[in-house]
Amino acid sequence: ETGVTQTPRHLVMGMTNKKSLKCEQHLGHNAMYWYKQSAKKPLELMFVYNFKEQTENNSVPSRFSPECPNSSHLFLHLHTLQPEDSALYLCASSQDVEEVAFFGQGTRLTVV
Amino acid sequence: AQSVTQPDIHITVSEGASLELRCNYSYGATPYLFWYVQSPGQGLQLLLKYFSGDTLVQGIKGFEAEFKRSQSSFNLRKPSVHWSDAAEYFCAVAMIYGGSQGNLIFGKGTKLSVKP
Repeated sequence: ETGVTQTPRHLVMGMTNKKSLKCEQHLGHNAMYWYKQSAKKPLELMFVYNFKEQTENNSVPSRFSPECPNSSHLFLHLHTLQPEDSALYLCASSQDVEEVAFFGQGTRLTVV
Repeated sequence: AQSVTQPDIHITVSEGASLELRCNYSYGATPYLFWYVQSPGQGLQLLLKYFSGDTLVQGIKGFEAEFKRSQSSFNLRKPSVHWSDAAEYFCAVAMIYGGSQGNLIFGKGTKLSVKP
């Protein structure tokens, strides 16, 4: 248990659905991240929030929309996804962007 | 561009045998270096990290790693593997920008299987 909690753990959604992934940390960290882990590919950084402000967006398609209402919560809103978006989505947090990241257990997303 | 290479996709070792997982990085200066482990269905857990100082770093679960600047390597080692070490291992680097750490760049991972 790293202190970073992701829900749901598994999600199956159709291409026309809208869903959201949730990440929560009560470690007092100020930076939160979304990563995508696909089969046979390195982990890909998607978004970085530092003090609730988005500081990085790695050319992620607009069908992924992050939201960081406070420094403890991070959401990833999903809509009109494609089958190739099926992956494990990992949330992480760190004290700030200069520190080591602690990862959640991930949400296994399947788009059908 | 910066990159991390883990040349071994899958390694199988016998329980009790020694282990070395390779990691090489491509970067003009010394980055911050990490090893993470991911058990099936789980997120990533930090095993150890190197920022500066002693090039041999100790981590959790009996793992250690050695930074070799001349080889741009940060190989992970364990003298005696346990069955519970079966998992996927990721090497990662974080670049340094103006004295601040950038974001993590991961290798593709090495899957470790342990034979009884």
